[in-house]
Amino acid sequence: DIQMTQSPSSLSASSGDRVTLTCRASQNIGTSLNWYQQKPGRAPKLLFFAAANPQGDVPSRFSGDGIGAEFTLTITNLQPEDFATYYCQQSFNTPRTFGGGTKVEMK
Amino acid sequence: QVRLQESGPGPVKPSETLSLTCTVSGVSVTSDTHFWTWIRQAPGKGLEWIGYTHYRGSANYNPSLESRVTISVDSSKKEFSLRLTSVTAADTGVYFCARAAFSRGYDGSHNEHFDEWGHGTVVTVSS
Repeated sequence: DIQMTQSPSSLSASSGDRVTLTCRASQNIGTSLNWYQQKPGRAPKLLFFAAANPQGDVPSRFSGDGIGAEFTLTITNLQPEDFATYYCQQSFNTPRTFGGGTKVEMK
Repeated sequence: QVRLQESGPGPVKPSETLSLTCTVSGVSVTSDTHFWTWIRQAPGKGLEWIGYTHYRGSANYNPSLESRVTISVDSSKKEFSLRLTSVTAADTGVYFCARAAFSRGYDGSHNEHFDEWGHGTVVTVSS
């Protein structure tokens, strides 16, 4: 199985901050990487597919980047509604696997 | 508007079989370009892909669950289902149904992503 490692596991930030979340794959997965946002008690929501393509009406303060084995999700000008847990997921091989998540908390 | 809605029994006893259904509206389960997926989340934990199937019958399961799981589509009822046998407490969690869609990355890589999700249903395995 491809292991997905997210760092940090949690971070504290304030509204207006810029934060960068990292996801590393245990092997080269090209751009077969997706990002999801999950709020407590809710289903995950797709933010980016194929590493850098925003889904639907994702706000422009979010950006996804990376190729190979290292990927980033950056949020500039953090907004109150952005405090959530973020997961990466690879679709290079089955079984599809998710990272352990990064929880973005309010400082 | 695409909508997925899980339904299921709630509590299940150890060693019994868990059966969940996902009702799909706003899109056809007989789409050639989508797979129908189950994902679960243990309490306080991350996400685990259980598996998915295409309406034509090609299924793919997580090897960790493969001996116990079946996912199937009932196109006449516009739904797909999950069957998990011999459950234990480790199977407790929230179960999500989702739609898998396909795309290509800018490097040409094949990509598949879960673009539509149900709200999730809580399954508790307890005697």
